[in-house]
Amino acid sequence: GNSVTQMEGPVTLSEEAFLTINCTYTATGYPSLFWYVQYPGEGLQLLLKATKADDKGSNKGFEATYRKETTSFHLEKGSVQVSDSAVYFCALSDPGSGNTGKLIFGQGTTLQVKP
Amino acid sequence: GAGVSQTPSNKVTEKGKYVELRCDPISGHTALYWYRQSLGQGPEFLIYFQGTGAADDSGLPNDRFFAVRPEGSVSTLKIQRTERGDSAVYLCASIKRGRIEAFFGQGTRLTVV
Repeated sequence: GNSVTQMEGPVTLSEEAFLTINCTYTATGYPSLFWYVQYPGEGLQLLLKATKADDKGSNKGFEATYRKETTSFHLEKGSVQVSDSAVYFCALSDPGSGNTGKLIFGQGTTLQVKP
Repeated sequence: GAGVSQTPSNKVTEKGKYVELRCDPISGHTALYWYRQSLGQGPEFLIYFQGTGAADDSGLPNDRFFAVRPEGSVSTLKIQRTERGDSAVYLCASIKRGRIEAFFGQGTRLTVV
């Protein structure tokens, strides 16, 4: 079955450090891939997405590239800020199922950025 | 409204009681989803509505859980004979027709004591 695996947290970084949060997936067909973010006290927000192999999603300085050969969608940011502290979720959906919002999430990775 | 609205934001109930959780999706969004998020975990799919009908209820854990969307807009998730294991944050999301981005509400935190 379909699944998503994320690196375990928490990830603790100093401000302006480089961030990588690993995400790998198992899926039948050709899923769309997403990163969602949950800031303290707020709901899940879509951070970025990619719908096909080699697509790069980007938003707010974050990037992730859909790598079909390694079944990965790692999240990166060149210089993190304290305001990036949040829980990050990698997710996939299988558009072939006709149900694009039926997402499978990883367990989440907590990022703590210290000034 | 501007976003997905869920009420109540918090609900504490006694074991064995019945609860209803409400979701008001973004206006014009045809698809509506319910998810459940346990502490320290990612959300897990429960049920999906396209319009008024439940198109996929494969994620409902058992027959104590039921959801409706009678007019194709607001949805209610109903849980009968609540158990302590039902304690979680229940999330609702909606999607505009033809799009793939799901917009989530802030959730209802259900605590069964």
